Amino acid sequence: AQSVTQLDSQVPVFEEAPVELRCNYSSSVSVYLFWYVQYPNQGLQLLLKYLSGSTLVESINGFEAEFNKSQTSFHLRKPSVHISDTAEYFCAVSRSNYKLTFGKGTLLTVNP
Amino acid sequence: DSGVTQTPKHLITATGQRVTLRCSPRSGDLSVYWYQQSLDQGLQFLIQYYNGEERAKGNILERFSAQQFPDLHSELNLSSLELGDSALYFCASSYRGLKETQYFGPGTRLLVL
Repeated sequence: AQSVTQLDSQVPVFEEAPVELRCNYSSSVSVYLFWYVQYPNQGLQLLLKYLSGSTLVESINGFEAEFNKSQTSFHLRKPSVHISDTAEYFCAVSRSNYKLTFGKGTLLTVNP
Repeated sequence: DSGVTQTPKHLITATGQRVTLRCSPRSGDLSVYWYQQSLDQGLQFLIQYYNGEERAKGNILERFSAQQFPDLHSELNLSSLELGDSALYFCASSYRGLKETQYFGPGTRLLVL
């Protein structure tokens, strides 16, 4: 069975600071990896995903994540955050992209 | 707007009752997934349907059932409700399932009193 661990339940940062949200997974087989974002009172939106190929994946709003197979990690990073990035971020893993297993989520709070 | 619609947005009911949550997938999507989000359990996959057939089952209780209709909309039925069933229920859809993004609806917030 696969599982996902998001190491930080809350990450407070100041605006324009860099941020890293950590995600580790466990699986005995190859997996697909995802980051979803949930803004207050909204549903989940896909931020980025790793299926194969380049281990560094980027989103259109400046986030990036790197798949590290040896460390079974898929940490999410952004070099400079904005107030509007305040949201809950979920890391998820799938073996076949039909059953997503989610982490507990990390609440990112960006303060002015 | 993801293109996935869910009704109702909010539902308040009593223990022992039965409710039905409805989901309309994005136009053209054949797969529908149901998830439950609660404070103690986090986000959990419940069940997936593909083109009317059940494809995968997750942590879905026996009191819960789902189906996907010929027009591809789906319903999640929750019966003999308990206080612990209070949660946000999300529906998501994708074209087929393999290597494709799941688009989530806004959710139905269920409160069992």
